[in-house]
Amino acid sequence: GAVVSQHPSRVICKSGTSVKIECRSLDFQATTMFWYRQFPKQSLMLMATSNEGSKATYEQGVEKDKFLINHASLTLSTLTVTSAHPEDSSFYICSASPGLAGGVGDTQYFGPGTRLTVL
Amino acid sequence: AQSVTQPDIHITVSEGASLELRCNYSYGATPYLFWYVQSPGQGLQLLLKYFSGDTLVQGIKGFEAEFKRSQSSFNLRKPSVHWSDAAEYFCASSYHSASKIIFGSGTRLSIRP
Repeated sequence: GAVVSQHPSRVICKSGTSVKIECRSLDFQATTMFWYRQFPKQSLMLMATSNEGSKATYEQGVEKDKFLINHASLTLSTLTVTSAHPEDSSFYICSASPGLAGGVGDTQYFGPGTRLTVL
Repeated sequence: AQSVTQPDIHITVSEGASLELRCNYSYGATPYLFWYVQSPGQGLQLLLKYFSGDTLVQGIKGFEAEFKRSQSSFNLRKPSVHWSDAAEYFCASSYHSASKIIFGSGTRLSIRP
């Protein structure tokens, strides 16, 4: 089946530093990738949708300058949390869809998540 | 606005007992509905999905869900739970022609030995 990996699985950083999280589709080409954020004991909130080769579409309230998303290839998307602060600590999950437009008919395959802790 | 409600935050059932997790959606048109399971510290795994057709949907791991338009519900069921079913369960929905998935708040399932 389709596998999505994330790296790193866990990261601890100091306040003010930037952190990059990678999301890879291992056995399929992901035209569309999604980034979610999950606070403890809460649901997933979509942060942004990215299509390969184009700018990401951010959800309302998500700072695009703080959460930089790059989808440079059909198998890799990165999320960079710039100048991280303790309130950015969260569980970040990506998903990937092989569909041309990430349409509803296409299954989203989720990565295992990255736990970010900002001290 | 589209929304998904899971009224039960935490449910505990005995191993071997039946299970029903509730989910209600709010959307004016035909919804696309999903159930996902998340084990601690893990990503999400799709259990089943409903787009159209038969309102009783069979999924993996012995789960099924029934779409009831009159009640705006998409409840998840399993006739006999196993200890390995302990996890967080998310109901989700999507627009007809968009790709964004809206998740409910989740229901944590605990299994009593």
